Amino acid sequence: GENVEQHPSTLSVQEGDSAVIKCTYSDSASNYFPWYKQELGKGPQLIIDIRSNVGEKKDQRIAVTLNKTAKHFSLHITETQPEDSAVYFCAASRGTSYDKVIFGPGTSLSVIP
Amino acid sequence: DAGVIQSPRHEVTEMGQEVTLRCKPISGHNSLFWYRQTMMRGLELLIYFNNNVPIDDSGMPEDRFSAKMPNASFSTLKIQPSEPRDSAVYFCASSLKSEQFFGPGTRLTVL
Repeated sequence: GENVEQHPSTLSVQEGDSAVIKCTYSDSASNYFPWYKQELGKGPQLIIDIRSNVGEKKDQRIAVTLNKTAKHFSLHITETQPEDSAVYFCAASRGTSYDKVIFGPGTSLSVIP
Repeated sequence: DAGVIQSPRHEVTEMGQEVTLRCKPISGHNSLFWYRQTMMRGLELLIYFNNNVPIDDSGMPEDRFSAKMPNASFSTLKIQPSEPRDSAVYFCASSLKSEQFFGPGTRLTVL
């Protein structure tokens, strides 16, 4: 079955700096890669996703890149702000509502003002 | 839409008691997922349903756990009997296509 690894497990950055979180997956049939943000006391919330026919996707300060050959994908947050502090999860799936989503172990991001 | 609704938000019970967690998915969604989150094991998928039918329950830890979805707007996760190691936050999520929408979770403490 699918296995998703995520690094680093914790990340501290100064406000305004960039943050990068990297993930790898094992199932070559996975073609949907969402990223979720979980704030304290809340459920995870989708912030951006990418499908395997796209190499990069950007939404304001957030960008994701995908290297399907190497089975790597990454989240990039630029100009970090204190409200970006949260736990971030990468995930992989075969891409329909019928398929389960496998989550990475999470990265706890702290943005220091 | 109110989003995914879970109840109760907090549950404290004693070892050996039956615990029932409830979930109301977003109207129109056809898939429902139950997850367990702990510091040690992260976010684990327990079971998921598609059109009210259980598709994969391989993540259910043991026979003490059971889940039902009697209709499109309601699901339960039951633990009987509960044990201290079941203490965790349990999330329900629903989806129509790829994006899963999570509820606020139920924090379960088994003493």
